[in-house]
Amino acid sequence: KQEVTQIPAALSVPEGENLVLNCSFTDSAIYNLQWFRQDPGKGLTSLLLIQSSQREQTSGRLNASLDKSSGRSTLYIAASQPGDSATYLCAVSDYKLSFGAGTTVTVRA
Amino acid sequence: DAGVTQSPTHLIKTRGQQVTLRCSPKSGHDTVSWYQQALGQGPQFIFQYYEEEERQRGNFPDRFSGHQFPNYSSELNVNALLLGDSALYLCASSPRVQGSSYEQYFGPGTRLTVT
Repeated sequence: KQEVTQIPAALSVPEGENLVLNCSFTDSAIYNLQWFRQDPGKGLTSLLLIQSSQREQTSGRLNASLDKSSGRSTLYIAASQPGDSATYLCAVSDYKLSFGAGTTVTVRA
Repeated sequence: DAGVTQSPTHLIKTRGQQVTLRCSPKSGHDTVSWYQQALGQGPQFIFQYYEEEERQRGNFPDRFSGHQFPNYSSELNVNALLLGDSALYLCASSPRVQGSSYEQYFGPGTRLTVT
């Protein structure tokens, strides 16, 4: 059974600091890994998708890496802004998505 | 292009009642998956539909059932509601390719409260 862990559970940083969010998974037989953003009480917004054959993916201030052999992914958010405050979830995919519990980020102005 | 839509937005039910939640997938997508997200936790996979049949199922009791229509929209039904069924129910859609999976797009969710 796939287990996905996200550390830390919560993070508070001053505006402008870079964010580093970690995700680990136990079964490397995955098709892809997705990072999502979730605002309180809302649905999930897809941020980045990394195919299992890829090592990283970038979109604007966001960069995600994937090391399938070690079962790890890291999401980097450069120059954080108060609008980045949200919960960030990683999910690994076979036929379904298996999610971590998320990292709740607060960016202080 | 409308993304994934879900209805209703919020719902309050009493223990023992039945509920139906609805989802319309993103244009061009034929696969719909349902997830349950309890407060403070990550979403848990309930089941997946394509070609109008349930193809995969997570660890949920038979009280949870679903349906997919020819236009790819889907319903999630929950019978004999329990307090523990209170959660955000999320629908996700994707195109389906045999032996692979694509980026999944999520709807805004339906918040179900059971009293």
